Amino acid sequence: NAGVMQNPRHLVRRRGQEARLRCSPMKGHSHVYWYRQLPEEGLKFMVYLQKENIIDESGMPKERFSAEFPKEGPSILRIQQVVRGDSAAYFCASSPLAGTDTQYFGPGTRLTVL
Amino acid sequence: KQEVTQIPAALSVPEGENLVLNCSFTDSAIYNLQWFRQDPGKGLTSLLLIQSSQREQTSGRLNASLDKSSGRSTLYIAASQPGDSATYLCAVGGETSGSRLTFGEGTQLTVNP
Repeated sequence: NAGVMQNPRHLVRRRGQEARLRCSPMKGHSHVYWYRQLPEEGLKFMVYLQKENIIDESGMPKERFSAEFPKEGPSILRIQQVVRGDSAAYFCASSPLAGTDTQYFGPGTRLTVL
Repeated sequence: KQEVTQIPAALSVPEGENLVLNCSFTDSAIYNLQWFRQDPGKGLTSLLLIQSSQREQTSGRLNASLDKSSGRSTLYIAASQPGDSATYLCAVGGETSGSRLTFGEGTQLTVNP
């Protein structure tokens, strides 16, 4: 059973471009979470999704950021018009059940905005 | 708003020493607590998960305890090895949302040969 997969592992964008980060949860997992780790800071929750539904987006910046988890395919975290402050490691986690089970983390996507 | 604090921020010990990492949280209404390990430039590896109804969990040389009423958890590492060098993160799951994790800033552990 493959673990949580994220791609790309490293992404470089210039200010104003769009960044698309992909996350494929573990097989059989229907809950996906996105976290962001800014340089020298701890991980912060961004959004929690189930298939085709956003359950909790209270940690998501109000502008430029969006997330989806379609019926087929990976979950996508999209950042429009990136700024230097978006440079961070973005981690995806998945679990088979909400609340009770371990969250399994992917290796992360390291976004650098020039 | 839940806040998670980890003490110490950094720890350097000689190989073979037993050590304790501390985690405290401000809101005791948690669903579970998880300890992770993060190696530089890598993702998170789950070490132990403690449900709110449990007092401790053990895996190999690791033992994690939970005192929900006082808002504390400890991670005990026995007979430390250089391969244990990493950042250890404590994360608590919120009761109402059920799923989001609130992380501490971690303890950076160095085990010297």
